[in-house]
Amino acid sequence: SQTIHQWPATLVQPVGSPLSLECTVEGTSNPNLYWYRQAAGRGLQLLFYSVGIGQISSEVPQNLSASRPQDRQFILSSKKLLLSDSGFYLCAWTHLTNTEAFFGQGTRLTVV
Amino acid sequence: DQQVKQNSPSLSVQEGRISILNCDYTNSMFDYFLWYKKYPAEGPTFLISISSIKDKNEDGRFTVFLNKSAKHLSLHIVPSQPGDSAVYFCAASGQGAQKLVFGQGTRLTINP
Repeated sequence: SQTIHQWPATLVQPVGSPLSLECTVEGTSNPNLYWYRQAAGRGLQLLFYSVGIGQISSEVPQNLSASRPQDRQFILSSKKLLLSDSGFYLCAWTHLTNTEAFFGQGTRLTVV
Repeated sequence: DQQVKQNSPSLSVQEGRISILNCDYTNSMFDYFLWYKKYPAEGPTFLISISSIKDKNEDGRFTVFLNKSAKHLSLHIVPSQPGDSAVYFCAASGQGAQKLVFGQGTRLTINP
C-alpha cells in the first residue's frame, strides 16, 4: 500500500531563518506531488506541484521554493522565513490518472 | 480568484439529523469533484467524489449531489454522528488538470 510521510510535525523558527520540510511517498512510482498551506482560518492553498523529477510549478509567488530531487521526494524550502509564512503545511500525492489526493499529516510551522 | 467557494464557514447540527454542506464553483471546465474531511493538526482524508457525468453518488451515510447548471455541489450526511465533527473541504479538478482546487472549508459541529 502507498504511504506518505511528512516531517517534522511541528516547527518553531525565528524570522529570517531557513526552512526545509521534507515529504516522501512510498509504494508508488511517478506520483504527482503537491505542497499546500492552510493559514489560520483559511482554506487549503496550493503552493507548488510537480509531475516529475526536477519539474516544479509554482502557484503563488512567495518566499518559498520547492524541489523534487528524487521521484518520491518533495522538499519545501525558504532561505529567510517571514512571519506570514506561519501556517499548516501539507504534502499530498496523486496517481497520474487519478485526481484523488492523499495527504500527509502536515507540519505546523510557527515563525516567531 | 476563488474558483471553489464554501460560503458557510461553520454549521451546527443535532446528532441524528441531516448535515448539508454546500459548495459552489465558477470554472465550467471542472469535471471531477471531491469532499475531504479534516481534523485539527491532521491532513485531510478523502470522503467521497463525483464525476461530472453523474448527479449523485452515495457511500453509506454520505451522499454528494452535483448540479452542473448551477455549478453547485452538496454533501449530505445522514444521520449525523459526533465523530463527524470536523472541517469539510470541497475540491475540484478540470480535464487534464493535475491539481485540485479547494474551497475554504466548513466547520461542522454535531451536537449531542
